[in-house]
Amino acid sequence: GAVVSQHPSRVICKSGTSVKIECRSLDFQATTMFWYRQFPKQSLMLMATSNEGSKATYEQGVEKDKFLINHASLTLSTLTVTSAHPEDSSFYICSARGDPNEPQHFGDGTRLSIL
Amino acid sequence: KNEVEQSPQNLTAQEGEFITINCSYSVGISALHWLQQHPGGGIVSLFMLSSGKKKHGRLIATINIQEKHSSLHITASHPRDSAVYICAGNTGNQFYFGTGTSLTVIP
Repeated sequence: GAVVSQHPSRVICKSGTSVKIECRSLDFQATTMFWYRQFPKQSLMLMATSNEGSKATYEQGVEKDKFLINHASLTLSTLTVTSAHPEDSSFYICSARGDPNEPQHFGDGTRLSIL
Repeated sequence: KNEVEQSPQNLTAQEGEFITINCSYSVGISALHWLQQHPGGGIVSLFMLSSGKKKHGRLIATINIQEKHSSLHITASHPRDSAVYICAGNTGNQFYFGTGTSLTVIP
C-alpha cells in the first residue's frame, strides 16, 4: 500500500529553535498534503492543507508565520515550526493524498518537545 | 457540539468479543473515514466510504447516509486491535474529526 514517511519521529530542542519536519510520499504523487496537530488524548486538529506548487491554506487560528509549510514537489512537504516555544510542544502528523477520491495516507508523526 | 460525534469514548472488551463503535455526523460530507491510531501515534486509514458497507478482514464499516450515521465493527477482537479509532468526515479538503474511541482488548 501507499507509504508516507515522516521525519524526524521525535525532536527535543531548546526554546527559540526552528524545527523542520518532512513528509514524503514514497510511492505515489501527493497532490495534496495535510498537516495535523494532536494534543494528548485529543483528536486530530487540521492545521493546514497544501497543494503542490501553491501556497498552503491555513485553518483559522493557525499562524502562517509560525508554521511555515512548503509543498515544492509532488512527493515532499515540509512544516517548519519557527522560533519554537514550549507551547508548541505537541504531536504533529502529516498525511498525503493523490486523487481526491482516494483516502489519505498518514505519516507516523513527529513528537516535538520544546524545553 | 462537534460536527462528528463518536461513542463510546472508551471501550474495554474481552478477546473474541464483537465490537461496535458508532459515529454520527451533523454536516454534509462526501465521504466518511475510519482511522486507527496506534499507541505510538501512527495512524492507519482503515476505510473510506460514501455509501453501504465495506469489509476488510475482521473489520466491517457501514454508513447510513439518510441517518448520518456510521458504524465500525470488529469481529473476533484481539489484543492487537487495541488502539484509538477515529471517525472523520470530509467534503473536499474540509475534514471533521471525531474525538476517538479508545479500545482495549483484554486477553
